[in-house]
Amino acid sequence: EAGVAQSPRYKIIEKRQSVAFWCNPISGHATLYWYQQILGQGPKLLIQFQNNGVVDDSQLPKDRFSAERLKGVDSTLKIQPAKLEDSAVYLCASTGTGGTNEKLFFGSGTQLSVL
Amino acid sequence: AQSVTQLGSHVSVSEGALVLLRCNYSSSVPPYLFWYVQYPNQGLQLLLKYTSAATLVKGINGFEAEFKKSETSFHLTKPSAHMSDAAEYFCAVRTQTGANNLFFGTGTRLTVIP
Repeated sequence: EAGVAQSPRYKIIEKRQSVAFWCNPISGHATLYWYQQILGQGPKLLIQFQNNGVVDDSQLPKDRFSAERLKGVDSTLKIQPAKLEDSAVYLCASTGTGGTNEKLFFGSGTQLSVL
Repeated sequence: AQSVTQLGSHVSVSEGALVLLRCNYSSSVPPYLFWYVQYPNQGLQLLLKYTSAATLVKGINGFEAEFKKSETSFHLTKPSAHMSDAAEYFCAVRTQTGANNLFFGTGTRLTVIP
C-alpha cells in the first residue's frame, strides 16, 4: 500500500518569496491534515479537510497561508509571502474517515528553510 | 482544552536497559491518547493508542503504555532497548467527543548507547 506522498522534500527560499507544498494522501482516505513542526516542538495542526471541505482551519495564518483540496484527493499548501518564522517541517497526514480514535498516516514532510 | 506534557526532551539509555518516556495529559473530557515515533527523515508512525478499552496498551516493537487516570499519565515503556529504538517519540491527546484535533507534546529524543 502506497503511503502519503509529499513533495518537495526540501525547499530553501528567501523571506517574502512564495512557496507551495504538495500532498497526495493514501488512496481512499477522506480526511487530510496539514501540520507544521517547528524545530524542537511537536506538530501543530494548520488545517483539516474532509473530502474537499475544510473542517478546521482555526490555526492557519490566513493572511499568508492558504490550502486547497479541490477534488478531494491531493492537496496543496501555499505560503505567500514567507517569513523567517515559517521555517519548519510541513507534514501531511491522512485517515479514512477522521474518526477520533483513528490513527493518522504521515508523509515524510517538506523541510522549509526561509533565509 | 487538551494538552500533553512530555518530561525530558532527551533521554539516553544503554542497549538492553529499560526505556521510560514520560507523558502527562490535561483534558476536561475523557481523552484518547497516542504515542507516535519519528525515525530520522521519516514521517511519524503510530506506536500505540489508548481508546478507553484497556488501561495497559501494547504497541509495536515491544512498546507498551499504561493509562493512569489518577496520575493523568500515559508513560511509554519498553523492557529492553535496542539500537533501532533511537528516534523521537511524541505523545498526543485527542478528545473522544467534539473536535478531533490531535494535540502533540514537544517530543522526547531517545538515544540508545551501545
